[in-house]
Amino acid sequence: SYVLTQPPSVSVAPGQTARITCGGNNIGSKSVHWYQQKPGQAPVLVVYDDSDRPSGIPERFSGSNSGNTATLTISRVEAGDEADYYCQVWDSSSDHPFGGGTKLTVL
Amino acid sequence: EVQLVESGGGLVQPGGSLRLSCAASGFTFSSYDMHWVRQATGKGLEWVSAIGTAGDTYYPGSVKGRFTISRENAKNSLYLQMNSLRAGDTAVYYCARGAVAGLAPPFDLWGRGTLVTVSS
Repeated sequence: SYVLTQPPSVSVAPGQTARITCGGNNIGSKSVHWYQQKPGQAPVLVVYDDSDRPSGIPERFSGSNSGNTATLTISRVEAGDEADYYCQVWDSSSDHPFGGGTKLTVL
Repeated sequence: EVQLVESGGGLVQPGGSLRLSCAASGFTFSSYDMHWVRQATGKGLEWVSAIGTAGDTYYPGSVKGRFTISRENAKNSLYLQMNSLRAGDTAVYYCARGAVAGLAPPFDLWGRGTLVTVSS
């Protein structure tokens, strides 16, 4: 099965840049999607197909994907960005796996 | 308003059954693949099932043979019939809309979820 590995936590000060990684074997050959989930709420798609943003998602959210690592970058971090973030890929043999999630803490 | 609203969760004994529903509104339900995703308390997301616009269905090994996804386009509704439930099935169950054809992610619209608790 295809495994996606995320750091359990990332901390950043307001106004700084947060980078959340998602590791997988040759993940650069797959399309990676990112979701934000705030406590008690449903997930929200924030980046799809590595680097595209759905309408309504701020430009501060961006993504990249190469080699064995995909990265979600959040620029000028705000207190409201504090949430859990999950990566996801489509893999025909692994049932749409999600990463384990990363808790973003805004200091 | 474009939304998904789940219902049908509750407390069920191990070995029991439960049927979840998801009511869609604000978009052409019949044109989209639909999915169920679950999340145990304090844990990550797990894809549970998918159904295409033609009614084709897919499941991961963890629920195959126990769960059945279905849809009723005339009622803009998605269902998940869950049988032989286990403690490990305890989770919040979300319905989600597939953004692209082919039963692939991403999922661009999610409901608020319904809690299923399997316990004696």
